[in-house]
Amino acid sequence: SQELEQSPQSLIVQEGKNLTINCTSSKTLYGLYWYKQKYGEGLIFLMMLQKGGEEKSHEKITAKLDEKKQQSSLHITASQPSHAGIYLCGADLEYGNKLVFGAGTILRVKS
Amino acid sequence: DVKVTQSSRYLVKRTGEKVFLECVQDMDHENMFWYRQDPGLGLRLIYFSYDVKMKEKGDIPEGYSVSREKKERFSLILESASTNQTSMYLCASSLWDLAGGPDTQYFGPGTRLTVL
Repeated sequence: SQELEQSPQSLIVQEGKNLTINCTSSKTLYGLYWYKQKYGEGLIFLMMLQKGGEEKSHEKITAKLDEKKQQSSLHITASQPSHAGIYLCGADLEYGNKLVFGAGTILRVKS
Repeated sequence: DVKVTQSSRYLVKRTGEKVFLECVQDMDHENMFWYRQDPGLGLRLIYFSYDVKMKEKGDIPEGYSVSREKKERFSLILESASTNQTSMYLCASSLWDLAGGPDTQYFGPGTRLTVL
């Protein structure tokens, strides 16, 4: 969706390195969701952010929401091969029950 | 844990065939969704349902229909499959938020459909 831009499109990092994925909305964010997808499989829910400035962590993955910039970032610390996959952000842009999704960021971790 | 299952992981059909994709969730969720996922385009919403027998068009409903006869089951129907419907189809479900706000969608494993 052009309403939700993810960057970068793909990323290759050396194991142990940190990385950041960004998700920027052209509209007001009422909720921002991060999912991870292994190739050919369904989406696994990671985190949901609702309030500006909110930050959540799950193991070595941290997500933040910048309400003013209408942007969320996903940061992985000390990447591991198990982090490899496609990361998608989804957003509620109409304060309802539908989400729009970014095109995804493909992450490869070299060991 | 929420569990969303889809009837097939892989499906191969011929042009013109009628195709049924089934989705079942076990968490008593009101909302159910059908998306298709294509490289570079992300997920696009085909149809969603917020109650039994209720449905609303998403962003790309053309060529598809849906059925929700029971709360736990949401079916996607391709009336006459075409090659441009070759894609990954993902089903999701979520609770209905009475305040109208967002709630987490939980996804099934996906069905990779190939139309020859």
